Amino acid sequence: KAGVTQTPRYLIKTRGQQVTLSCSPISGHRSVSWYQQTPGQGLQFLFEYFSETQRNKGNFPGRFSGRQFSNSRSEMNVSTLELGDSALYLCASSKIQGSGANVLTFGAGSRLTVL
Amino acid sequence: SQQGEEDPQALSIQEGENATMNCSYKTSINNLQWYRQNSGRGLVHLILIRSNEREKHSGRLRVTLDTSKKSSSLLITASRAADTASYFCATDPVFGPGTRLSVLP
Repeated sequence: KAGVTQTPRYLIKTRGQQVTLSCSPISGHRSVSWYQQTPGQGLQFLFEYFSETQRNKGNFPGRFSGRQFSNSRSEMNVSTLELGDSALYLCASSKIQGSGANVLTFGAGSRLTVL
Repeated sequence: SQQGEEDPQALSIQEGENATMNCSYKTSINNLQWYRQNSGRGLVHLILIRSNEREKHSGRLRVTLDTSKKSSSLLITASRAADTASYFCATDPVFGPGTRLSVLP
């Protein structure tokens, strides 16, 4: 059974550019969550999608956006990149969405460096 | 704001010793989970404890939950070098800052 696949694994961008990250969840998982991980702030929740709808959102500016497709694959986009956006972006999928027992299976992450 | 907060921030022990990490949270929960992150296997789910449970075991892991104190603890018994990792508690969808555990051979 394939795990959560994130692409690209590494990327370097410059300030002001935008970036799109992709996440393919485990087959049968309909919920996809995104997290930003930095040494200073730890794991910060970005958003969660279920059945193509954003069901929960963290405290990030509007430059961070996402979407989910009908096959449950998800993308997140960061526009007008800032140096502080350098981080490991983790995607996680789960079977059960919302207030139930939402056990997350994480991908390996996409490491973004903004110069 | 962080829902869960772990302490200690870092812990260093010898192989064979037990390691205890604590987590506090702020609001009511349905369940609390613990995850482990190391360079080799990424971020992996360890154990889930529901709000109506007080203790749960999984192999060398023991988790307790005290909803009156809004706290949980993770005990790893007979630690191994392979247990070296960061451990996070999570109350969906928020993760705590984690405890860095180093197990020395």
